[in-house]
Amino acid sequence: GAGVSQSPSNKVTEKGKDVELRCDPISGHTALYWYRQRLGQGLEFLIYFQGNSAPDKSGLPSDRFSAERTGESVSTLTIQRTQQEDSAVYLCASSLRQRGYTFGSGTRLTVV
Amino acid sequence: DQQVKQNSPSLSVQEGRISILNCDYTNSMFDYFLWYKKYPAEGPTFLISISSIKDKNEDGRFTVFLNKSAKHLSLHIVPSQPGDSAVYFCAASAGGGADGLTFGKGTHLIIQP
Repeated sequence: GAGVSQSPSNKVTEKGKDVELRCDPISGHTALYWYRQRLGQGLEFLIYFQGNSAPDKSGLPSDRFSAERTGESVSTLTIQRTQQEDSAVYLCASSLRQRGYTFGSGTRLTVV
Repeated sequence: DQQVKQNSPSLSVQEGRISILNCDYTNSMFDYFLWYKKYPAEGPTFLISISSIKDKNEDGRFTVFLNKSAKHLSLHIVPSQPGDSAVYFCAASAGGGADGLTFGKGTHLIIQP
């Protein structure tokens, strides 16, 4: 597609439930990033995929968070046993190497 | 440990005047810097960048200045327009390109009529 697409755009879930967030990067972009922005905070790096290399998971805040990417296509971010502090806007970005990021519009996750 | 710092959470500027957004960094390995702009309910969009081999980059109303000795950069918008009201994120990377960005917390710029 023309841009980075994220779904759903909004998600309200009960504490303790699992959620799955999806990102469709721009076709041909080899790099894919997940960030989150909690209320009043900056962009917090979560995970980075580059081609077929092992992902950089150094930003994942706990083992409840995981992400997958099949080749250079869709990525899913899964949060298990959601907590209220997981409430945030989750942003996905893709890029061609060294060419800058294109962000999606994000998924606003609210844990109640 | 925050490597990219934007110490002003918000800034209010009158329409037509200059807006100056500041950013400080601590990692001396950073050599490429970018500014992103974010409207509510949208993802950040790239605005302007600068490589550490330069001290200034200009694009229309937007100019970014880099002071490597002070580890400081700033974004100047002149003249400020109502559509400039947004959150501005400073970002930095090491390795000369736009991969592996570290972002600041953002500054909410409000342009007053």
